Amino acid sequence: GENVEQHPSTLSVQEGDSAVIKCTYSDSASNYFPWYKQELGKGPQLIIDIRSNVGEKKDQRIAVTLNKTAKHFSLHITETQPEDSAVYFCAASIEDMRFGAGTRLTVKP
Amino acid sequence: NAGVMQNPRHLVRRRGQEARLRCSPMKGHSHVYWYRQLPEEGLKFMVYLQKENIIDESGMPKERFSAEFPKEGPSILRIQQVVRGDSAAYFCASSHTSGGAGSHHTQYFGPGTRLTVL
Repeated sequence: GENVEQHPSTLSVQEGDSAVIKCTYSDSASNYFPWYKQELGKGPQLIIDIRSNVGEKKDQRIAVTLNKTAKHFSLHITETQPEDSAVYFCAASIEDMRFGAGTRLTVKP
Repeated sequence: NAGVMQNPRHLVRRRGQEARLRCSPMKGHSHVYWYRQLPEEGLKFMVYLQKENIIDESGMPKERFSAEFPKEGPSILRIQQVVRGDSAAYFCASSHTSGGAGSHHTQYFGPGTRLTVL
């Protein structure tokens, strides 16, 4: 089955800096790659997703890149703000979704 | 359009009791997924259901755990004879379709049920 690895497990940045979270996946048939943000005590919320026929997608301060050959994808957050502090999960999906272990992002004011 | 609803939000059980967790998918969604999250850990897939069918239960423990998604009503995750190791947050997600070439299968999550076993 699919195996998703996510790095780093924790990330601390200064407000205004960029943050990058990276994931790799094992099954080349995976065709859908969402990213979720989970705040304390809440369920994961979808923030951006990308499909295998696209190499990059951007939504305001958030962007995701996908390298199908290398089987890795990344989340980029620019101009980070304290409210970006949360746990971020990547996932890879064919039929079912498999999640990475999460990255705890802390943005220091 | 209401999102995915889960109840109860918090559930406390003593060892040996039964826990029933409910999930109502988003309107129009016929696919439900259950995940378990231990403190400071990621989301572990448990089971994927469509109406009246279990599609993939590869993440479900073989004993004490069961899930259903009846034709009418919410999906139920049932844990019999709970043990302390069952304490976790259980999340339900729903999607419009399951995937496949060209189809849209974004999963939307509920707020979770936090189960505490005393």
